Amino acid sequence: DGGITQSPKYLFRKEGQNVTLSCEQNLNHDAMYWYRQDPGQGLRLIYYSQIVNDFQKGDIAEGYSVSREKKESFPLTVTSAQKNPTAFYLCASSPTSGGPGTGELFFGEGSRLTVL
Amino acid sequence: AQSVTQLDSQVPVFEEAPVELRCNYSSSVSVYLFWYVQYPNQGLQLLLKYLSGSTLVESINGFEAEFNKSQTSFHLRKPSVHISDTAEYFCAVTAIYNQGGKLFFGQGTELSVKP
Repeated sequence: DGGITQSPKYLFRKEGQNVTLSCEQNLNHDAMYWYRQDPGQGLRLIYYSQIVNDFQKGDIAEGYSVSREKKESFPLTVTSAQKNPTAFYLCASSPTSGGPGTGELFFGEGSRLTVL
Repeated sequence: AQSVTQLDSQVPVFEEAPVELRCNYSSSVSVYLFWYVQYPNQGLQLLLKYLSGSTLVESINGFEAEFNKSQTSFHLRKPSVHISDTAEYFCAVTAIYNQGGKLFFGQGTELSVKP
């Protein structure tokens, strides 16, 4: 079945450690996104990518890094510079990149990161 | 840029009662509007969307939303809720002719349906 796969679903890390969250899609979508979700704050955009080998910062990019070497994959690294990394992270994709589009996003199941 | 305000963070309601989840948006350009639903520890699923045409849009499970341009609102309604509707609901907006499908989300409304 086509969709977006995030892994791991749950992750624990110690302070000072980097961690990478995986996001893979087989929907042949051009654009991919990472959102962070905290209770009562909705979804905030971390990074997005409209095309392979290109990505842009979202609203809260500090302490995070991404890569887009393949169309299907958009991993997110939470670095030790992120001051409050405990959150639920959601990856999404969209069939359009730039220009007119419906703007609909398709989401993965999420990864819950807890920093101990 | 666009922004969304969901006016209620929590909405408790009894089963079979009607419900309205309120959403107001801000934008200087024409927009597309969405409602997403999120069940516990899961990703978001599209519930319904307004792109153009009729201002009243419906989902397959009985929800409906009406786009009101003059009031910049896109409230979500259901005439009779079920226990299974318990979830968090997010309103989202994007500008028509946007760059890369970037959506702006509201803070979410937690709908709790009680028996």
